[in-house]
Amino acid sequence: GAVVSQHPSRVICKSGTSVKIECRSLDFQATTMFWYRQFPKQSLMLMATSNEGSKATYEQGVEKDKFLINHASLTLSTLTVTSAHPEDSSFYICSAARGQTEAFFGQGTRLTVV
Amino acid sequence: AQKITQTQPGMFVQEKEAVTLDCTYDTSDPSYGLFWYKQPSSGEMIFLIYQGSYDQQNATEGRYSLNFQKARKSANLVISASQLGDSAMYFCAMREMHMNNNAGNMLTFGGGTRLMVKP
Repeated sequence: GAVVSQHPSRVICKSGTSVKIECRSLDFQATTMFWYRQFPKQSLMLMATSNEGSKATYEQGVEKDKFLINHASLTLSTLTVTSAHPEDSSFYICSAARGQTEAFFGQGTRLTVV
Repeated sequence: AQKITQTQPGMFVQEKEAVTLDCTYDTSDPSYGLFWYKQPSSGEMIFLIYQGSYDQQNATEGRYSLNFQKARKSANLVISASQLGDSAMYFCAMREMHMNNNAGNMLTFGGGTRLMVKP
């Protein structure tokens, strides 16, 4: 069964509103989770590293004020897309590592901003 | 330079035949791990197989095996007896272990290969 759960799987929102995406590790503690973005027919692009109890580390070119990350507990990280615009429409997916040899992904969230 | 390269953007294979998906990587870290994931049209990333840089034997998981050639820095995925349900995107990824912090757990992905299984 799934060990990383991501919600919602699909969301449509109006331009200018904010959307929160949750990522939970179900049966293990994840001090670090990763948020990726994937455009159609492309690979996964790392957006940020979410660290429990501290600030997220953002990759170059990713606006931290646009993509707010909160890692409030050892099993939950949230990504909030603030003041969403149509260009933010994409597939967002989170990942958590269990040890060094396992990396599990959530189901992904398909965001459409209209 | 690309850390993970998948040179085949798309491949066809006949049902029940074997297929090899190529992956080459670039790292100076002596300790690393290589992953393969399957991504069907639903978008979920399904873990297939893992190979550690110090593993002596090639990893195998059911119909999946990894042809690990360390000197050539390649980690090709072999799928035996292809099934129609194998049609999907396949991604090769690498984790470098040298970072003694949580950033060392991040995966770097290749561009992916779309596999299409013909009946």
